[in-house]
Parts: sequence; C-alpha cells; structure tokens
Amino acid sequence: QTVVTQEPSFSVSPGGTVTLTCGLNFGSVSTTYYPTWYQQTPGQAPRTVIYSTKTRPSGVPDRFSGSILGNKAALTITGAQADDESDYYCVLYMGSGISVFGGGTKLTVL
Amino acid sequence: EVQLLESGGGLVQPGGSLRLSCAASGFSFSTYAMTWVRQAPGKGLEWVSSFGGSDGYAYHADSVKGRFTISRDNSKNTLYLQMNGLRADDTAVYYCGKAVGGTPTAVCDHWGQGTQVTVSS
Repeated sequence: QTVVTQEPSFSVSPGGTVTLTCGLNFGSVSTTYYPTWYQQTPGQAPRTVIYSTKTRPSGVPDRFSGSILGNKAALTITGAQADDESDYYCVLYMGSGISVFGGGTKLTVL
Repeated sequence: EVQLLESGGGLVQPGGSLRLSCAASGFSFSTYAMTWVRQAPGKGLEWVSSFGGSDGYAYHADSVKGRFTISRDNSKNTLYLQMNGLRADDTAVYYCGKAVGGTPTAVCDHWGQGTQVTVSS
C-alpha cells in the first residue's frame, strides 16, 4: 500500500524559513509524481500553493517555493507570516489515474 | 475567472444515494481533467475520483470503487459524482477541483468551496 509521508506538525517563527517534506514509504519522490501542495485553514477549501513540483499559481506569494530535496518533495516558506499558519497537504500522482494524499502538516507560526 | 460550484450534498441514510454536481465556468471545461476529493470531520484530504479531459476515462479510489461513479457533461460544463451504497464513513465535505491539464490527477489549481455529505440514520 502506498503511503505518502509528511511531518505531523512544524513550527516556525515569524520571518523565519521552514521546509516541509513529502515522502513515500517506498523509493524516492521525483518530478514524475507531480508533487503538489495545498494550504488549508479550518473550514475553508484547499488552496493550491505549488503544483507539479515547483509551479506557483498566480496570486501565490513568492515566499512559497517547491523543490525535490534528496528523496522527497519539499515546500519551503521563506519569511513566514502569521497567515501562513495552516494545514499543508502534499499529493502525489501515482499513474493510472491514481493520486495519494499525505496526512498533512500542521504549521504553527509563533 | 475560474469558478467551481458544488451542490447536491445533504443528509442521507446508510445505503442511500446522492448525486453531487460541480458547475464550472471561466475555462475550457472539456480540455481539463476534473477531480473529487473529500475531507471527513477532523481528518485530512482524500482523493476520491478523477475524470480525464484528454483520455476521457474515469478513475476511483479503492474506498469508493463499485459504489461511486464520476462523470461529466461537457455540454453543460458540469462534473458529477453519483454516490450509491453510502456508509457512515463517507461522511465528509466533498470538493471538486480543476486539474492543471488533461491527465486525470489530483494536481489541481482551482477548487470549489465544497458540499457537505452526512450519512446517518
């Protein structure tokens, strides 16, 4: 069974930099999985912050960036702000129409 | 401006059926794959189903296979999710998303606001 792994929680100081990661219980994450990151605050719909590894949709601040770091996908927030405090979900495309979400990372800015 | 508006959620008894709709506007609907994801109370996001824009095929998670059917009507710019044999663990907010291309993935750049489905007697 495919399991996408994310840190359950992370904390960053305002103005600081944080890197969240997205891994697989087997092998390495590569661009062929089109790693994508969603930001979600309680009671709200998901918001796409990075798709296909490193593409930032229009309107998303450039403090959000995506990459592959080692064997994982990564979401880096540079100069974190209070309103970045959210849940962040990674999703990977496994092929054959199948996508798998990670369990999410709760990011606290304090 | 891309807009996605879900409807059709509600309260249903176990074993019952619902059909969710997602009305799309602001883009060339037939070109893009579309996806349903859900979020159970207090839980994370779960991929449910995708419908390709390029291959025209439907895909479903194992948790809903045989019970849910995704479809689309390109003439009405609308995505559907027919849900049969509903169970308590299907209780969730259901979101529709526009994929970034024609491949049926949950790699989406726009999302609707969601519709609540509650399965309870």
